[in-house]
Amino acid sequence: DSGVTQTPKHLITATGQRVTLRCSPRSGDLSVYWYQQSLDQGLQFLIQYYNGEERAKGNILERFSAQQFPDLHSELNLSSLELGDSALYFCASSSSAGGSTDTQYFGPGTRLTVL
Amino acid sequence: GIQVEQSPPDLILQEGANSTLRCNFSDSVNNLQWFHQNPWGQLINLFYIPSGTKQNGRLSATTVATERYSLLYISSSQTTDSGVYFCAVDTGRRALTFGSGTRLQVQP
Repeated sequence: DSGVTQTPKHLITATGQRVTLRCSPRSGDLSVYWYQQSLDQGLQFLIQYYNGEERAKGNILERFSAQQFPDLHSELNLSSLELGDSALYFCASSSSAGGSTDTQYFGPGTRLTVL
Repeated sequence: GIQVEQSPPDLILQEGANSTLRCNFSDSVNNLQWFHQNPWGQLINLFYIPSGTKQNGRLSATTVATERYSLLYISSSQTTDSGVYFCAVDTGRRALTFGSGTRLQVQP
């Protein structure tokens, strides 16, 4: 158990809908990262937050947004869902803002299926 | 961006065999991690190893940063070692870039 929790574990929805994925980092970790794992594109970094502020952005679509709350949990919002958004979404956390000693610990993931 | 190549892409072993997985990367890195993704999809941290050698039970890893590669050794493999092994690197941009993985199947 990495100490990172994600809810829900599974989510099935329809095209055009909006969903929210939730992540709670390990106790004491200030950084939260979101990654997407799809069959065709592998594991890709989406976005990072550190202590409530956005720190780095990867291949995140404009239809997707995220935030980190004062209690440090984070939410990833996916809207106008398309079939291609079906994937496993991981949250990871680390203690610092990023750097040479920054081990990232991954949650169990949320499996999103868009029908 | 940085390129991360893992080899072999697929590996089938008999229980008890040893194996070596390789990760090549195209640029200097601040962070290198090895992960095991089990059949249930969980990503499990194996090593944080931007340089040097580490061992944890039957697993060990070596990173030669100057030559831009890392190796993961699995000894006396067990069926529970099956899954996909990923190498991931960070060049200081705070995001991990993952390789495409090595799919390992250990047969009893």
